[in-house]
Amino acid sequence: ETGVTQTPRHLVMGMTNKKSLKCEQHLGHNAMYWYKQSAKKPLELMFVYSLEERVENNSVPSRFSPECPNSSHLFLHLHTLQPEDSALYLCASSQDWNRGRVSSYNEQFFGPGTRLTVL
Amino acid sequence: AQTVTQSQPEMSVQEAETVTLSCTYDTSENNYYLFWYKQPPSRQMILVIRQEAYKQQNATENRFSVNFQKAAKSFSLKISDSQLGDTAMYFCAFMKHYNQGGKLIFGQGTELSVKP
Repeated sequence: ETGVTQTPRHLVMGMTNKKSLKCEQHLGHNAMYWYKQSAKKPLELMFVYSLEERVENNSVPSRFSPECPNSSHLFLHLHTLQPEDSALYLCASSQDWNRGRVSSYNEQFFGPGTRLTVL
Repeated sequence: AQTVTQSQPEMSVQEAETVTLSCTYDTSENNYYLFWYKQPPSRQMILVIRQEAYKQQNATENRFSVNFQKAAKSFSLKISDSQLGDTAMYFCAFMKHYNQGGKLIFGQGTELSVKP
């Protein structure tokens, strides 16, 4: 596997289910991101991890719970979702951005996404 | 807060012709990056082209070029000699230069169809 992979590619779940989305990057990066892509709306940044530490939580409801056990893996745990949470969830990775110092640009590489449908 | 606006939800172009996608943004920052991303039907988002705001010269990548107008806060993408493989959603995005959290701000996207 190369680049950024996501599993599963498609997921259908009921509002009372618990499921997890998985992201894995094979690029040697140390920052990872979750984005939500809803129809007719811009991509929304949900969470950012750098060196396995969460550095951004963009006002995301607690029914979404991220986990970053190491720099190569990122999970999004889902619990009691709502139908409006149906969307494409994209994972991305990059090199760290030199927190606290003048940064250089580090390109984000995206995975193919998980299409989530909440019934 | 920064915002990015793409006013063209859908566009189409004939193969081999040229098409321009529009993007405007709003920011009080002086130094920043602008991007165009492509998301084909397979859904893997890939970077097409990048522009640093402090550079006056417009970025080019093969058939892709931008028209960056900093004062007007405009950042359009021109695709020359369009190919069927260019069919995709195109997103304009903004990032602060002094990056905090790698935060990309995306526009709503433009769906481009290249017709044979």
